[in-house]
Amino acid sequence: GQNIDQPTEMTATEGAIVQINCTYQTSGFNGLFWYQQHAGEAPTFLSYNVLDGLEEKGRFSSFLSRSKGYSYLLLKELQMKDSASYLCAPWNQGGKLIFGQGTELSVKP
Amino acid sequence: DAGVTQSPTHLIKTRGQHVTLRCSPISGHKSVSWYQQVLGQGPQFIFQYYEKEERGRGNFPDRFSARQFPNYSSELNVNALLLGDSALYLCASSFGGRQPQHFGDGTRLSIL
Repeated sequence: GQNIDQPTEMTATEGAIVQINCTYQTSGFNGLFWYQQHAGEAPTFLSYNVLDGLEEKGRFSSFLSRSKGYSYLLLKELQMKDSASYLCAPWNQGGKLIFGQGTELSVKP
Repeated sequence: DAGVTQSPTHLIKTRGQHVTLRCSPISGHKSVSWYQQVLGQGPQFIFQYYEKEERGRGNFPDRFSARQFPNYSSELNVNALLLGDSALYLCASSFGGRQPQHFGDGTRLSIL
């Protein structure tokens, strides 16, 4: 079967660091995406991991361990505008993006 | 450069009707995927098209159909609408079938 597990909600303070974890089980695996989605808006692409390790892009980093079926998104120097839903999406063998329900991040002053 | 464009942005229909949603991909992108997003959930995969051929289909009934045109734009059709079809319908395009997907703003469909 296919299953994506990430926390439903997280709260963090402006300026802090937060890590959003994602575990997955998919039929085949071709990589993993992270998307950010603000309420009422479309998802926007953040990162893509296909090999194990850390991918860094500015304040955002994403890590992948294929053997453990595990990924995390790390957000540094949090800003109020980072309050959004963060979606973990493995890419299965059939080329389909399988989305989790998302983690709703609230950044407080 | 224009991103993925979808039309209409909002639509209200009644049960039993049918609907056609449209998507224009980013220029140069040949793959289009459709997703349904119900409030509070992540997007659910409906279809993927690449070079005008269906490359994948999610767990949706036959009331859902789609096609891709020679200019790579796409339509999603839903027949015999049900209340449960109320959702945000997202279109995403990518250069190839295995490239990062970029989403349009979606069509919000409400069924009364």
